[in-house]
Amino acid sequence: EVQLVQSGAEVKKPGEFLKISCEGSGYRFGSYWIGWVRQRPGKGLEWIGIIFPGDSETKYSPSFQGQATISADESTNTAYLQWNALKTSDTAIYYCGARLGYCDGSTCFDFWGQGTQVTVSS
Amino acid sequence: QSVLTQPPSVSGAPGQRVTISCTGTSSDIGAGNDVHWYQHRPGSAPKLLIYRNTNRPSGVPGRFSGSRSGTSASLAITGLRAEDEADYYCQSYDTSLRGRGVFGGGTKLTVL
Repeated sequence: EVQLVQSGAEVKKPGEFLKISCEGSGYRFGSYWIGWVRQRPGKGLEWIGIIFPGDSETKYSPSFQGQATISADESTNTAYLQWNALKTSDTAIYYCGARLGYCDGSTCFDFWGQGTQVTVSS
Repeated sequence: QSVLTQPPSVSGAPGQRVTISCTGTSSDIGAGNDVHWYQHRPGSAPKLLIYRNTNRPSGVPGRFSGSRSGTSASLAITGLRAEDEADYYCQSYDTSLRGRGVFGGGTKLTVL
């Protein structure tokens, strides 16, 4: 059974470092794109970026380029989203999604993590 | 930031048919790029509803259907049920952004 399990909720202060994770299981992690999506409070979904764990090729939405970093560790089947210096505007729920069966070769996400709430407040 | 335009809200009574539009540009939908639709309920992960414009994943009822024409796409829901009340998002790919995805702003469906 395919599963994406994300790390738990985080409460941080502005300027702090944060790295959240998304562990995949039930499929060959290194062979499929995995991405991150943001949902700010009361707002819609925003596409952050994607990574191919097999070779770490990464693509970012222009809005997120330089704001956060996507990485992956094929040895632990885990993708990451990290910030070196959080801002209050980073407060959101972050979802990871994978392009597997239906979405392999396409641009959608057919499997999703449960979401990670990130709260940034002084 | 939404590149794809959706109506903020739609509503319908149980049993009725509703459609949700998704309007893009010549860089995304109009470039022939696939459109996908997701259902998102508060507190849950998004769920893939339609992929590659018209296809339903296994388990998605036939009441949901997708179409694409020109620079727009639509999601149709027939036989509305209370459980369909959720947010719906279209998503495509922007050729000018070299592989980056784009979402619509989302549409809140209310079942009256």
